[in-house]
Amino acid sequence: GENVEQHPSTLSVQEGDSAVIKCTYSDSASNYFPWYKQELGKRPQLIIDIRSNVGEKKDQRIAVTLNKTAKHFSLHITETQPEDSAVYFCAASPGGYQKVTFGTGTKLQVIP
Amino acid sequence: GAVVSQHPSRVICKSGTSVKIECRSLDFQATTMFWYRQFPKKSLMLMATSNEGSKATYEQGVEKDKFLINHASLTLSTLTVTSAHPEDSSFYICSSQGGTDTQYFGPGTRLTVL
Repeated sequence: GENVEQHPSTLSVQEGDSAVIKCTYSDSASNYFPWYKQELGKRPQLIIDIRSNVGEKKDQRIAVTLNKTAKHFSLHITETQPEDSAVYFCAASPGGYQKVTFGTGTKLQVIP
Repeated sequence: GAVVSQHPSRVICKSGTSVKIECRSLDFQATTMFWYRQFPKKSLMLMATSNEGSKATYEQGVEKDKFLINHASLTLSTLTVTSAHPEDSSFYICSSQGGTDTQYFGPGTRLTVL
């Protein structure tokens, strides 16, 4: 089955700096890669996703890159703000209605 | 994004009792729903995939007779934790998927078994 590894497990940055979270996956059949943000005690919220036919996608301060050959993808948050503090999960899936495999999560702390 | 509700949000029960958790897709028809379990400061662990009108597909190591899943309609799936024990205490979250690759999560249910 799919195995998704995520690094780092914790990340502290100063407000205004950039944050990068990296993930690798094992199953070459995976072609859908969502990123979720989860605040304490809340539900995971989709923040951005990318499909394997695209190498990069950007939405305001958030961008995701995908290297399908190397089987890794990354989340980039620029100009970080205190409200970006949360746990971020990467995930991988073959798409369709097949299951999504989640990474272990990164706790991001943005220091004002 | 789509709206998924989950009820109850919190439940405390005595050991040996059964607890039912409902997951509803409020604004779209969810062909497939997923049930996850999340321990504190841990990732989401998939328990089972629930398909409308058919039996759920359980992940390895998840007891299907303990965690009963019913997906009777395109908007409702239920998870029943039978004969609950303290080790079943956890945060249970459902997600719904309908028509796209994206899963939308419910707000979760915090189960505490005394």
